Amino acid sequence: DSGVTQTPKHLITATGQRVTLRCSPRSGDLSVYWYQQSLDQGLQFLIQYYNGEERAKGNILERFSAQQFPDLHSELNLSSLELGDSALYFCASSVDGGADTQYFGPGTRLTVL
Amino acid sequence: GQQVMQIPQYQHVQEGEDFTTYCNSSTTLSNIQWYKQRPGGHPVFLIQLVKSGEVKKQKRLTFQFGEAKKNSSLHITATQTTDVGTYFCAGGSNYKLTFGKGTLLTVNP
Repeated sequence: DSGVTQTPKHLITATGQRVTLRCSPRSGDLSVYWYQQSLDQGLQFLIQYYNGEERAKGNILERFSAQQFPDLHSELNLSSLELGDSALYFCASSVDGGADTQYFGPGTRLTVL
Repeated sequence: GQQVMQIPQYQHVQEGEDFTTYCNSSTTLSNIQWYKQRPGGHPVFLIQLVKSGEVKKQKRLTFQFGEAKKNSSLHITATQTTDVGTYFCAGGSNYKLTFGKGTLLTVNP
C-alpha cells in the first residue's frame, strides 16, 4: 500500500459525459501528479500540482482539467468524453515535487462506451 | 525537453534466462529511478541511483547508472515468473522526473 488513494476504482460512462476522478496523496506529500495509461502504452504525464499550484503540464487535453485543494487532495475532471479516453488514470504523489520518488495510487479504470 | 528512451519495448524469456532493459536520456541526469508495474497493478518504486557509475543490487536485480549519468540498465539474473511486469526507468533532471515508456517482461515457465 503506497498510501495514495484514488476513487473510484472503476468508472463506466458514455461518450459526451463528464467525470471526476479523485486522489488523496500520502500524508506529508505536497505534490500530486496525474498520468494516463492506455492499453499497451506507457505512462503519459498529464499534469502536476505542488501545494495547490499547477507546476507542470504534459499532454493534457483541453477537455481535461485538474486542481489541487487546500487539503492537498486533487481532482481530475474529464469532459466531453470520447471512446479514446478509456484508460487507466493514475495519481502519484511526492514530497517536494522535484525529481524525488513518486508513489502511485491504485488507479481509476475509466471505460467510455 | 528532456527525453528518456527505454529499450526493448517488449521482452519474452524462458524462466531461468537473464533479462536486461536499458534506459537512455538526452540530457545528463541528477538521478535515475526504476519502477515495476505488475499486471493489473500500479507502478511501484524499486530503487534510485544518484552517483556516476553507481551499481546497486536487490537479490537477483542489478541496477547500474552510467559514468556520464545519461544511461542506466536493469539486469535480472535467472528470471522467475514473479518477475513479470513492466519495468519503467525515470530520469531526474531540473527538478523533474521523466518516465521512459517501459519494458514489458513476460516469462515462460
